[in-house]
Amino acid sequence: AQSVTQLGSHVSVSEGALVLLRCNYSSSVPPYLFWYVQYPNQGLQLLLKYTTGATLVKGINGFEAEFKKSETSFHLTKPSAHMSDAAEYFCAVSFSGNTPLVFGKGTRLSVIA
Amino acid sequence: DAGVIQSPRHEVTEMGQEVTLRCKPISGHDYLFWYRQTMMRGLELLIYFNNNVPIDDSGMPEDRFSAKMPNASFSTLKIQPSEPRDSAVYFCASSTDPRTSYRTGGVGLPDRGQFFGPGTRLTVL
Repeated sequence: AQSVTQLGSHVSVSEGALVLLRCNYSSSVPPYLFWYVQYPNQGLQLLLKYTTGATLVKGINGFEAEFKKSETSFHLTKPSAHMSDAAEYFCAVSFSGNTPLVFGKGTRLSVIA
Repeated sequence: DAGVIQSPRHEVTEMGQEVTLRCKPISGHDYLFWYRQTMMRGLELLIYFNNNVPIDDSGMPEDRFSAKMPNASFSTLKIQPSEPRDSAVYFCASSTDPRTSYRTGGVGLPDRGQFFGPGTRLTVL
């Protein structure tokens, strides 16, 4: 079985500040991990994913995430927040790239000018 | 590529009516997923297909829900009869396994995870 816990349903940061969105997972096998972003009234867009290999994964829009097996975490970071980053972010886990995703509840990111 | 296409984008119907949601996956993708998003339950899988064959439908809420994939480029999700608690956003997503999708011309496509459509917002009154 797999599950995802996203800490904080709402995170607010100032423009230019560090963004940190937390994700912890549970998986009985080595997981595939994903971060998706959802803008209002739109579908989900893949930010980045971890499958195997390098544990620091770089994605689009300046985001990156680090897979830490010992902590069962896959936190999403961005050094400097931009107003356009305001959206809902979902962490997800799966058994492979083509098996169903199990999503966390999501974290809404607000960016304050 | 136009991405995953879903129709309609919005659907408002009355309780008891039949609702059909449609999805066109990305060309060459051999996996298709239907997810539902609600405030209470978040994003959850309903059913997924591989090469047009249903693999796991354990997420389908009840017999009122049915899904088909008659060919590699089209899938439907049908609710009959619809109820107010079915109100949600329904997403279709597609993906490919570059190692095995030769039959649908997917060989060489990068494994970039699941691509989501824009969703269908369903309101059942």
